[in-house]
Amino acid sequence: DVKVTQSSRYLVKRTGEKVFLECVQDMDHENMFWYRQDPGLGLRLIYFSYDVKMKEKGDIPEGYSVSREKKERFSLILESASTNQTSMYLCASRPPSGGDQPQHFGDGTRLSIL
Amino acid sequence: RKEVEQDPGPFNVPEGATVAFNCTYSNSASQSFFWYRQDCRKEPKLLMSVYSSGNEDGRFTAQLNRASQYISLLIRDSKLSDSATYLCVVNGPYGNKLVFGAGTILRVKS
Repeated sequence: DVKVTQSSRYLVKRTGEKVFLECVQDMDHENMFWYRQDPGLGLRLIYFSYDVKMKEKGDIPEGYSVSREKKERFSLILESASTNQTSMYLCASRPPSGGDQPQHFGDGTRLSIL
Repeated sequence: RKEVEQDPGPFNVPEGATVAFNCTYSNSASQSFFWYRQDCRKEPKLLMSVYSSGNEDGRFTAQLNRASQYISLLIRDSKLSDSATYLCVVNGPYGNKLVFGAGTILRVKS
């Protein structure tokens, strides 16, 4: 079974803080993703990475950055947290494109910015 | 137009009912299709992949219509435990990125 592990289930931070969300997968997947999910808006892609040190902007990258130094780890960084970044953050991984490979998600991190 | 569109519902059905959801997608080049299930405050989990010829998994049947660019999910003999949000997913313009619909809420009542 694929295991995607996010470092925290719940996190509370203050406005202006630098926040790190960590994600680790154990299936040697090339592709990793960060989403946020808000009521009524569904899943929105923030950033994704298709290989070590590679990254691509998703639909809503503003206010975020990412780091992929090792294949198994994909970090999401809020450079200066703001209250509108309060959300559920979901990490996912997927094998290389082609075929009908699904994505596997971590448990999610509920982040509150005060 | 959104890349993947779903009726948000909610669909309120009694136990034992048959319920169907449809989903339309805009990218005619999409090759991979899935249905995910998401319980309240939990992560999305793969329910089933959708194959060109249609496929069935127990009480669940998925269909793909490429000409009209929609996929469907049929749930027979609904259970209380089927209550969840069902997400339609297709691969995007770049093969390694999946696009998620906003989800359809199903509530099964006794």
